[in-house]
Amino acid sequence: DTAVSQTPKYLVTQMGNDKSIKCEQNLGHDTMYWYKQDSKKFLKIMFSYNNKELIINETVPNRFSPKSPDKAHLNLHINSLELGDSAVYFCASSQNTISGANVLTFGAGSRLTVL
Amino acid sequence: AQSVTQLDSHVSVSEGTPVLLRCNYSSSYSPSLFWYVQHPNKGLQLLLKYTSAATLVKGINGFEAEFKKSETSFHLTKPSAHMSDAAEYFCVVSDTGRRALTFGSGTRLQVQP
Repeated sequence: DTAVSQTPKYLVTQMGNDKSIKCEQNLGHDTMYWYKQDSKKFLKIMFSYNNKELIINETVPNRFSPKSPDKAHLNLHINSLELGDSAVYFCASSQNTISGANVLTFGAGSRLTVL
Repeated sequence: AQSVTQLDSHVSVSEGTPVLLRCNYSSSYSPSLFWYVQHPNKGLQLLLKYTSAATLVKGINGFEAEFKKSETSFHLTKPSAHMSDAAEYFCVVSDTGRRALTFGSGTRLQVQP
């Protein structure tokens, strides 16, 4: 199936731990994103990579470090987890267009719970 | 700068009645506008998009939206709600050339039998 797939779907961990979420897309898209959805359903861009190059880096604590080994993968590593990091993290991808009409294809989300 | 305001956080309709989800946007340039739907515990799915072509845009599942520049609005409508339409709906704006989308705060649509 052509899709954006992210793992794990659920992640429960203790404060202070380090964890990673992986994302892969087989759509041939050039651009990948990480979005954070908080408990009020608000979605906010965190990072975007275009062909392995970081192009968007919003105000995110440097405990969050994205890594893109190739244009089909964008992983998110989080150090020293805090309670406020609890959220659903969505990976997405899009074609590399300059028109601004970027249609995003989203993964199913990874629900992170920090205890 | 771009922003989007969804005027209702929660809308409840009866099955078979019309749906109206309201969205106003602010954009410095010619915007692209989208509606995405999120069913419970699922990812987001594109419903429809406006990219400066026809102002009335038809999407999937019978939804449509009309771009009104004078009102800076992009309201989502459907003539007859179905139980399966119950979900969270997000209005999204993207300025020309900017790769990141700005999401509205979402509208939860509830459909009563």
